[in-house]
Amino acid sequence: GAVVSQHPSWVICKSGTSVKIECRSLDFQATTMFWYRQFPKQSLMLMATSNEGSKATYEQGVEKDKFLINHASLTLSTLTVTSAHPEDSSFYICSARNLGDEKLFFGSGTQLSVL
Amino acid sequence: GENVEQHPSTLSVQEGDSAVIKCTYSDSASNYFPWYKQELGKRPQLIIDIRSNVGEKKDQRIAVTLNKTAKHFSLHITETQPEDSAVYFCAALYQKLVFGTGTRLLVSP
Repeated sequence: GAVVSQHPSWVICKSGTSVKIECRSLDFQATTMFWYRQFPKQSLMLMATSNEGSKATYEQGVEKDKFLINHASLTLSTLTVTSAHPEDSSFYICSARNLGDEKLFFGSGTQLSVL
Repeated sequence: GENVEQHPSTLSVQEGDSAVIKCTYSDSASNYFPWYKQELGKRPQLIIDIRSNVGEKKDQRIAVTLNKTAKHFSLHITETQPEDSAVYFCAALYQKLVFGTGTRLLVSP
């Protein structure tokens, strides 16, 4: 199956700093990428949908100025958590799909801990 | 927007028993329904999926059924094994993939 690489796998940062998470499709062109957040013992909640070359579409309640998403190429999307606070601590996971294919391929996730 | 409900939230069975997890969705435009198995701290793993033009699909011990009229779909695992213990999520896709709330399955030896 297709491979989606996500880095870093875990990050610890101080409150107020920014953290960038990268999601790469290694062997296919990801026309659409989705970013999810998962709190402990909860489901994956969609944060935003990004299409290559256009602005991301954010879900209700997700602050676009806090969670910056860039999808500048068909193989790379980034999520930047700006001015992170302890309540932003969570498991962030990306997924990618190619045009015309329903299947989503998931990255390995990033565990963010904000102190 | 799409809303996916999943039941039960926890399910405990004995090894060899069957397990059934049920989901309902709200958006009739959804046309693809995957099921994922997730272990702690790991990415969701696709275990089976079904498209809206199919009523049932089976892959060894795992089967999925879809009732488009009722907007229900279910996961059936037969002859459960301890290694089937994990959290299972259903999902529904139209323009975006929305996950159910998850079911924690525990299979006791």
